[in-house]
Amino acid sequence: GAVVSQHPSRVICKSGTSVKIECRSLDFQATTMFWYRQFPKQSLMLMATSNEGSKATYEQGVEKDKFLINHASLTLSTLTVTSAHPEDSSFYICSASPVLSGNQETQYFGPGTRLLVL
Amino acid sequence: TQLLEQSPQFLSIQEGENLTVYCNSSSVFSSLQWYRQEPGEGPVLLVTVVTGGEVKKLKRLTFQFGDARKDSSLHITAAQPGDTGLYLCAGAEYGNKLVFGAGTILRVKS
Repeated sequence: GAVVSQHPSRVICKSGTSVKIECRSLDFQATTMFWYRQFPKQSLMLMATSNEGSKATYEQGVEKDKFLINHASLTLSTLTVTSAHPEDSSFYICSASPVLSGNQETQYFGPGTRLLVL
Repeated sequence: TQLLEQSPQFLSIQEGENLTVYCNSSSVFSSLQWYRQEPGEGPVLLVTVVTGGEVKKLKRLTFQFGDARKDSSLHITAAQPGDTGLYLCAGAEYGNKLVFGAGTILRVKS
């Protein structure tokens, strides 16, 4: 149980285009989903926290108009990288906190999405 | 803002050697989690420790939570090439979001 999927797993796009990444909790409902960014051989950097049906909370330094987050249901959150540029190339990972956990400490991570902007 | 200092950042050892990774903070955590991540994949939870002084064992891995719940360690006995990966600690303060350490890249050579 507690499986989180991400789609696509890898994406290559041209500079200036927008890319949407989906994060789904497959066998549980998630009150909160998190989006992280990870550079090679580095730790996870939290980008934003999204709660179902409300606006996402972005970490300091993360542009909300650049990284659009939608959390339309208890099992799906999307991250759209708008007008992507080469510096946006990175590994994006989502995680989900089960409704039943009652807190944000319990997070199940997706397999990540590798984004390469040419 | 909570900070979680993880050390060492990089470790290269021979198969069969032992190693310890440390995570330290000035903040008290309600729980602390250890993850292992392989290249191109998401982190996989190894263990969660919640009680001060708690020790958990997972085969050759031993996890310890400090008495004051501010620090933790991961000890691997007789490391194997399959243990190679990025090890991450993450702490949370009573229901809040996780704070990650910088990570430890472990390479075990055969």
